[in-house]
Amino acid sequence: AQKITQTQPGMFVQEKEAVTLDCTYDTSDPSYGLFWYKQPSSGEMIFLIYQGSYDQQNATEGRYSLNFQKARKSANLVISASQLGDSAMYFCAMREGDQGAQKLVFGQGTRLTINP
Amino acid sequence: DTAVSQTPKYLVTQMGNDKSIKCEQNLGHDTMYWYKQDSKKFLKIMFSYNNKELIINETVPNRFSPKSPDKAHLNLHINSLELGDSAVYFCASSDRDTQYFGPGTRLTVL
Repeated sequence: AQKITQTQPGMFVQEKEAVTLDCTYDTSDPSYGLFWYKQPSSGEMIFLIYQGSYDQQNATEGRYSLNFQKARKSANLVISASQLGDSAMYFCAMREGDQGAQKLVFGQGTRLTINP
Repeated sequence: DTAVSQTPKYLVTQMGNDKSIKCEQNLGHDTMYWYKQDSKKFLKIMFSYNNKELIINETVPNRFSPKSPDKAHLNLHINSLELGDSAVYFCASSDRDTQYFGPGTRLTVL
């Protein structure tokens, strides 16, 4: 069974609009972490934002925020005021395993295209 | 002052050859990883090392052998390369919470 599901293979958004990228996860562990990474066409994996399962508040980093809904097991990424440079693949990931033996499990990715 | 670096960035080789990819991190992290990204962009963990000890080996063929000479380095050696090994290989290192990735090595096996 998929542990991380990103249901949007591709999204097209006008510049300056806000965009929400969907991510749902499946785990029975009480302690876990959720991440978003950006992969531009140049290929590197850029860490954007992290949410711990015990964090009370939604994580924010500049224009990025993570809409964490624990009961629904969703961790959507919201990008405010999108820019042309936001065009990239975006991956949701979940950290699982005990400390020292942790790994990231990734979703399939969403390709975001920002139109001028 | 790159945090996680990998060499080479591109690697083109013939089937059957043996090749290595090197990874170094200057973040002082104890844990390092190798991930493989296939042609469909799917990322999957291969190995993780904690303080030079192998912790995770995710059913990777034994043609792949990671080596960690010290906790700042994790190299990946691949024997008898096959066409299906063509992919992008990412090294990463982590603190308690977050994994930081290297720039990736695009391996093409002809």
